[in-house]
Amino acid sequence: DTGVSQDPRHKITKRGQNVTFRCDPISEHNRLYWYRQTLGQGPEFLTYFQNEAQLEKSRLLSDRFSAERPKGSFSTLEIQRTEQGDSAMYLCASSLDGAVNTIYFGEGSWLTVV
Amino acid sequence: QKEVEQNSGPLSVPEGAIASLNCTYSDRGSQSFFWYRQYSGKSPELIMSIYSNGDKEDGRFTAQLNKASQYVSLLIRDSQPSDSATYLCAVNMGQGGGNKLTFGTGTQLKVEL
Repeated sequence: DTGVSQDPRHKITKRGQNVTFRCDPISEHNRLYWYRQTLGQGPEFLTYFQNEAQLEKSRLLSDRFSAERPKGSFSTLEIQRTEQGDSAMYLCASSLDGAVNTIYFGEGSWLTVV
Repeated sequence: QKEVEQNSGPLSVPEGAIASLNCTYSDRGSQSFFWYRQYSGKSPELIMSIYSNGDKEDGRFTAQLNKASQYVSLLIRDSQPSDSATYLCAVNMGQGGGNKLTFGTGTQLKVEL
């Protein structure tokens, strides 16, 4: 499978714990995005990388959230001190840099904070 | 005003009919437009993209773009029960929007037998 892959697919954690999600983009794609989606809403942008540089972060990304893409390949999204409001699907997507910016999503990582 | 607006639905159409899904956007500088299909519990799947005014057809799907009216639509001909899903309109607002997609809340489509 050469699509965007995410791990884990499902995570249940207790409030206050830290969680980390991993994303492996399509191999030739240099842009990587993180989105969050809650029930009944469209995906909301969190952050994006071009190669290893984090170029933009949403105001939604509080100081409890941190994302990295150390070698310009895979990326991690860490949530510290999880809260019940963090329960959502975390979507990773990737694209090629260029005039046409078609973004492809992974299967998503479901987070439930109890 | 939301940046990308869609009617949340549900939109119910009989099998074989044409389903028409609509989307408006606020940023006149928007450059590219996408429709994603999302089944319940799954991630969004790209089905159409459109970049210039007019119609673009791909199989049973036709995307329509009118930049002057800031309006983009998706027509699904010969609707099938398997088309029942939420359809997300997404807009790339270009440099000013940070080269990312901004999504609407989605329209739920139900195709009835």
